[in-house]
Amino acid sequence: KAGVTQTPRYLIKTRGQQVTLSCSPISGHRSVSWYQQTPGQGLQFLFEYFSETQRNKGNFPGRFSGRQFSNSRSEMNVSTLELGDSALYLCASSLVRQGSEQYFGPGTRLTVT
Amino acid sequence: DQQVKQNSPSLSVQEGRISILNCDYTNSMFDYFLWYKKYPAEGPTFLISISSIKDKNEDGRFTVFLNKSAKHLSLHIVPSQPGDSAVYFCAAESYNTDKLIFGTGTRLQVFP
Repeated sequence: KAGVTQTPRYLIKTRGQQVTLSCSPISGHRSVSWYQQTPGQGLQFLFEYFSETQRNKGNFPGRFSGRQFSNSRSEMNVSTLELGDSALYLCASSLVRQGSEQYFGPGTRLTVT
Repeated sequence: DQQVKQNSPSLSVQEGRISILNCDYTNSMFDYFLWYKKYPAEGPTFLISISSIKDKNEDGRFTVFLNKSAKHLSLHIVPSQPGDSAVYFCAAESYNTDKLIFGTGTRLQVFP
């Protein structure tokens, strides 16, 4: 069974631009969660989608948004990029809910200059 | 407000000895706790978990202890191996939010 895939793996953007990251979950998994990892902050929860609906949301500004498609693939969008948005963005999928059943992708490393 | 804290950013242990990674939390509603391991250039992988109704859970060389009164959990690795060198994250969730909250991570280095 193929694991969680994320594209692109690396990205460099300029302040003010917008970016879209993509996540393909494990086949059959319906829940997709997004996290931001920065040094000193650990993994911070962005949002979770289940069956195309946002089910949970973290404490991030509205510049961070996401969506999920009918095939469970998910995209995350960040508008008006700031230097502080530079981070590793991780996507995780699970059958139904978070927790031990969660499988992570390798992440997308975003650098904002 | 960091609800899950790992106060030691790094830990260095000799191969064969015990590694003890600590995690504190502030939210008394958390009822399920997990440890993840992360190698460079890879996503975190689930290691071991514990429910709040237990105080200990073992899986091979890995044991997690939970002290609810102190809001503290720890991960013991015995014996430590060089392949255990990674960043370890503890995480917690509560039944009413179903949202996983991660700590800041502890980088473990096991040297020969």
